[in-house]
Amino acid sequence: NAGVTQTPKFRILKIGQSMTLQCTQDMNHNYMYWYRQDPGMGLKLIYYSVGAGITDKGEVPNGYNVSRSTTEDFPLRLELAAPSQTSVYFCASRMNTEAFFGQGTRLTVV
Amino acid sequence: EDQVTQSPEALRLQEGESSSLNCSYTVSGLRGLFWYRQDPGKGPEFLFTLYSAGEEKEKERLKATLTKKESFLHITAPKPEDSATYLCAVQSWSGANSKLTFGKGITLSVRP
Repeated sequence: NAGVTQTPKFRILKIGQSMTLQCTQDMNHNYMYWYRQDPGMGLKLIYYSVGAGITDKGEVPNGYNVSRSTTEDFPLRLELAAPSQTSVYFCASRMNTEAFFGQGTRLTVV
Repeated sequence: EDQVTQSPEALRLQEGESSSLNCSYTVSGLRGLFWYRQDPGKGPEFLFTLYSAGEEKEKERLKATLTKKESFLHITAPKPEDSATYLCAVQSWSGANSKLTFGKGITLSVRP
């Protein structure tokens, strides 16, 4: 059982470039989340989804977009990368109680 | 708005020296409080869920407790392998109750 899979694990982007962080879960969970984690700042919610076709903004959505066309996939899109988006990004999924996290994507924008 | 405050920010213990980590929270109605462990370079790993004041859960050297305002993660006779960052999160009944709000975490170091 793979759980939550994130790709890529590492990425360096130039300012203004775009990219998509991929997230897939195989547990048939309804809820999915994208968080970013900066040193000493904890996990900040970017976007979340309560099911296929339904997404909503979290605390820090500016500069990001998401889609949820299937239950399994919840990609995060960065359109115009900025240095402030340098962070570690975590995807998570949940059914009722505990959330399961992916291993993270470390993104550097230079 | 839900808020979670964890203290201390960092804790250094000698192997076998028991201690407690604190998580204070403010929510309009608590649906669940969660504890996670995070190792460097890894995603958070689920430890416990607590739902109501007075509830306690145990796993090996860890015991989590809950009151109406805070939760404690008690570590009994810790070992070096317990070194990690411990995260607390809350889920409330109000508004978008599918969200999890996290604290900043407590970095625990256990020396042999």
